[in-house]
Amino acid sequence: KNEVEQSPQNLTAQEGEFITINCSYSVGISALHWLQQHPGGGIVSLFMLSSGKKKHGRLIATINIQEKHSSLHITASHPRDSAVYICAAIYYNQGGKLIFGQGTELSVKP
Amino acid sequence: DVKVTQSSRYLVKRTGEKVFLECVQDMDHENMFWYRQDPGLGLRLIYFSYDVKMKEKGDIPEGYSVSREKKERFSLILESASTNQTSMYLCASSFPVSGTSSGNTIYFGEGSWLTVV
Repeated sequence: KNEVEQSPQNLTAQEGEFITINCSYSVGISALHWLQQHPGGGIVSLFMLSSGKKKHGRLIATINIQEKHSSLHITASHPRDSAVYICAAIYYNQGGKLIFGQGTELSVKP
Repeated sequence: DVKVTQSSRYLVKRTGEKVFLECVQDMDHENMFWYRQDPGLGLRLIYFSYDVKMKEKGDIPEGYSVSREKKERFSLILESASTNQTSMYLCASSFPVSGTSSGNTIYFGEGSWLTVV
């Protein structure tokens, strides 16, 4: 079964803290997305990666194919980073559909 | 700026009404998706489409149908709305997994909040 497990489900941090959100998946993915959803609904894809590491501003995403694990890091967190972060995998046998993790609700306090 | 536009942000419909949710993308994407999102259940795929006139059922297609007559437009139809279809509906689009443009990222609309009373 194609699954995506994400942790933690909820995370509260103080402004400036380094944050890590983890995602594990089963074999056979072609790529993995990290998504951000702010209150109000809209979702934005932060990264799509199939190997290695990507960085955009204070956000870093890594993926370890052997370990079947990906992480999203936020450096110097800020209250505007408060959102739900979702990892979503694209499996070869699912024809492009995304399999979503449960999401991590992040709250960054000033 | 790439865009996925959902026609209605907030709707209130009566039980038994036929409801159309429209989604338009301007990126020439082949793939389009309809999801619903409910507290505690996350995002669940209702239907997706690989190309014009192509559609495939997702995980929860019951009570829904879709239409893709043009590449840029993917419509979700609730034939007879029920209260358990009260939810937030999200449309998304992307190139195929094997595509190379835009890094194969996926774009979401802003969501449509549907209440069925």
